[in-house]
Amino acid sequence: EAGVAQSPRYKIIEKRQSVAFWCNPISGHATLYWYQQILGQGPKLLIQFQNNGVVDDSQLPKDRFSAERLKGVDSTLKIQPAKLEDSAVYLCASSPTGYTNEQFFGPGTRLTVL
Amino acid sequence: AQKVTQAQTEISVVEKEDVTLDCVYETRDTTYYLFWYKQPPSGELVFLIRRNSFDEQNEISGRYSWNFQKSTSSFNFTITASQVVDSAVYFCALSEPISASKIIFGSGTRLSIRP
Repeated sequence: EAGVAQSPRYKIIEKRQSVAFWCNPISGHATLYWYQQILGQGPKLLIQFQNNGVVDDSQLPKDRFSAERLKGVDSTLKIQPAKLEDSAVYLCASSPTGYTNEQFFGPGTRLTVL
Repeated sequence: AQKVTQAQTEISVVEKEDVTLDCVYETRDTTYYLFWYKQPPSGELVFLIRRNSFDEQNEISGRYSWNFQKSTSSFNFTITASQVVDSAVYFCALSEPISASKIIFGSGTRLSIRP
C-alpha cells in the first residue's frame, strides 16, 4: 500500500513570496490533516478535512494560509505571502475516518523562508 | 485545556541500556486517546501505539513497553536493551474526545543511542 505522498520535499523562498505544497493521502482515507512542525517542537494541526469539507481550521492563520481538498482526495496548502516565522516542516497525514484512528504521516516539506 | 508535557528534551544512553521516556498530560475529558510517535532523522512520523482512556493495562511490544497511569496522568514509554536504530525524536500525544480526532503533540524527546 502506498503511503502519504508530499511534494516538494524542500523549498526555499524569500519572505513575501508565495508557496504551495501538495499532499496525496493513502487511497480511501477520508480524513486529511496538515500540520506545521517548527524546529524543536511537536507538530501543530493547521487544518483537518473530512472528505472535501473542513472539520477544523481553528489554528490556520487565514490571513496568509489557505488549503483546499477538491474532490476529497489530494490537497494543497498555500502560503501567501510567506513570513520568516513560517519556516518549518509541513506534514500531511491521513486516516481512514476522523475518529481517532491512527494517522499516517507523509515525509513532510521543509520550508525555509529567507 | 489539553496539554502534553515531555520534560526530557534530550536523553543519551549507551546501546543495550534501558531507557524510559516520560509523558504527562492534562485534560478535562474523561474519554480520550494517548499516542506515541517516533520521528527518525528522515522526518516521517511513525505511529507506535494508541491507548484509550478506559484501558489502563500496560502494553509490551517486543523491546517497547508502555505504562499508562491515570492517577498520575502519565503515559511513559520504555525501550529495553536499546539499539542505535532507536535514535530518534519521540512524541507523546493526546486526542480530543472520540467525536473528533485532533491530536495535540508534546514537544518531543530526542533520544540518542551511542554504540
